[in-house]
Amino acid sequence: AQTVTQSQPEMSVQEAETVTLSCTYDTSESDYYLFWYKQPPSRQMILVIRQEAYKQQNATENRFSVNFQKAAKSFSLKISDSQLGDAAMYFCAYRSANSGDMRFGAGTRLTVKP
Amino acid sequence: DSGVTQTPKHLITATGQRVTLRCSPRSGDLSVYWYQQSLDQGLQFLIQYYNGEERAKGNILERFSAQQFPDLHSELNLSSLELGDSALYFCASSPWGGPSETQYFGPGTRLLVL
Repeated sequence: AQTVTQSQPEMSVQEAETVTLSCTYDTSESDYYLFWYKQPPSRQMILVIRQEAYKQQNATENRFSVNFQKAAKSFSLKISDSQLGDAAMYFCAYRSANSGDMRFGAGTRLTVKP
Repeated sequence: DSGVTQTPKHLITATGQRVTLRCSPRSGDLSVYWYQQSLDQGLQFLIQYYNGEERAKGNILERFSAQQFPDLHSELNLSSLELGDSALYFCASSPWGGPSETQYFGPGTRLLVL
């Protein structure tokens, strides 16, 4: 079964600085999708960024980018120019293209200091 | 506001009881997903429906069942409730249910089993 590991339960960053959240996953599948979701205190789950496993190019969405290393099964999220509104729980997720099953990591709580 | 609605927002019940959680997807979305978020188990995918048919199954217990109706709303039925079923239950929707699609999450139903 696929597993997703987020080894950093908590991270802290100074406003305007850059922070990287780590995620590794384990799978024997070749076709899958990876996601980062944000959950602010409101508890609403919001998609931050997605990466298709077949694409070598790292996904970018404004201040958010990923470092996708398929061979190492690593999928880290970089947040540039951190803002107070970025403070939230961040979940890494894996979705199988075959079964549709979705697995989440345990989450990383990000604090942004003014 | 994601456009996904869930009712009720909060639910308090006793062990052994049965409850029904309701979800209305975004206008035009054909696929609905159910997730459970608890302190013990983290965020878990339960089940996905597409246009009334079950599409993918995750860690859904036999005591739990779901269905999607012709008007595309979905219900998650939880029976023989146990203390460990206390959690935040999310519904999400997407247009076609494909593995790469953005899923839009509802605000969740918080279930407390006493």
